[in-house]
Amino acid sequence: GAVVSQHPSWVICKSGTSVKIECRSLDFQATTMFWYRQFPKQSLMLMATSNEGSKATYEQGVEKDKFLINHASLTLSTLTVTSAHPEDSSFYICSASFQGRFYGYTFGSGTRLTVV
Amino acid sequence: TQLLEQSPQFLSIQEGENLTVYCNSSSVFSSLQWYRQEPGEGPVLLVTVVTGGEVKKLKRLTFQFGDARKDSSLHITAAQTGDTGLYLCAGRAGTASKLTFGTGTRLQVTL
Repeated sequence: GAVVSQHPSWVICKSGTSVKIECRSLDFQATTMFWYRQFPKQSLMLMATSNEGSKATYEQGVEKDKFLINHASLTLSTLTVTSAHPEDSSFYICSASFQGRFYGYTFGSGTRLTVV
Repeated sequence: TQLLEQSPQFLSIQEGENLTVYCNSSSVFSSLQWYRQEPGEGPVLLVTVVTGGEVKKLKRLTFQFGDARKDSSLHITAAQTGDTGLYLCAGRAGTASKLTFGTGTRLQVTL
């Protein structure tokens, strides 16, 4: 259980265009989802916490107008990279929290974004 | 901001050797998790520890949570090439929902 599906797994876009990444919880309701960014050979950096029905909470230094997060339902959160530039190229990973034996997290398989 | 420093950053060993990865912080965590990540994939949970001093074993992997719940270690016995990957510790502070990741340890096991 507690599976998160992330799409697309990879995307190439032109500079100036916008890209939407979807994160779906398949078998549970995800009240809270998280979006991370990962540069090559580095760890995951939290970008924002997304709560269903409310505005996302962005980490310091993350541009909220550039990385639009929508969490309109308990099973779907989306991250839209607006006016993408080559420096936005990265691996983006979503995660959802759930309460089991422990407070746990399940991760999507990631989206490789390349902006050309 | 809670910082989790992992050491070493990179480790290259031969199959059959033992190794230990450390995860240190000045902050207290209510729980700490270890993940392994393969290139191009999301992290996969290995273990969750919640009690200070707790030791958990997963086959050849032994995880320990420090008594003060500020640090943790991962020990791998007789490493195999399949253990190659990025190992990440991640902590949850108090009742906060977000997870803070460590700096990561890249392990390469060769024949």
